[in-house]
Amino acid sequence: AQKITQTQPGMFVQEKEAVTLDCTYDTSDPSYGLFWYKQPSSGEMIFLIYQGSYDQQNATEGRYSLNFQKARKSANLVISASQLGDSAMYFCAMREANTGTASKLTFGTGTRLQVTL
Amino acid sequence: DAGVIQSPRHEVTEMGQEVTLRCKPISGHDYLFWYRQTMMRGLELLIYFNNNVPIDDSGMPEDRFSAKMPNASFSTLKIQPSEPRDSAVYFCASSLTGGPHYGYTFGSGTRLTVV
Repeated sequence: AQKITQTQPGMFVQEKEAVTLDCTYDTSDPSYGLFWYKQPSSGEMIFLIYQGSYDQQNATEGRYSLNFQKARKSANLVISASQLGDSAMYFCAMREANTGTASKLTFGTGTRLQVTL
Repeated sequence: DAGVIQSPRHEVTEMGQEVTLRCKPISGHDYLFWYRQTMMRGLELLIYFNNNVPIDDSGMPEDRFSAKMPNASFSTLKIQPSEPRDSAVYFCASSLTGGPHYGYTFGSGTRLTVV
């Protein structure tokens, strides 16, 4: 079974609008971390936001927020007031506590976001 | 801090040649990871190190791939001999700890093309 599922291969959003990128995860570990990374066309992987499994509040970082629904095992990324520079590939990832000596970051397949004028 | 530094940024080589990719992790980070990214397979973990010791190399595709970390500030990923199907972007990442609440810092990647 996929540990991280991103069902939207591609999304379009108009500039200044908000957009939600979906991510569901699968784990039986009570302690885990959820991460979103951005990969622009230049190729680098940029960390955006983190949510811990025990966090009571949804994480926010500037225009990024994470809609964390633990019972549904979803961790959707919300980008508010989209900008042209937000056009990129977005990856959801999870790191579990009990995966051996070091917990590995497991990635979803990504969602390509295109911001239009 | 300069972040995770990878070199070269781009590498074009002929099939059969040896390729060496280099990585300098963030100082103080105990974990180093090598990932490969392709359109077909996405991001795959190849190998990771803890305190310079290889912990899990189960993702290394075959014996042609080898990785070393001779000290805390340097790691290499070597492919010998290289094949066209090795063409991909190779990322190095480092992490402060192995816990689930720390993410990785990635290098800029090395785009490898084997012709």
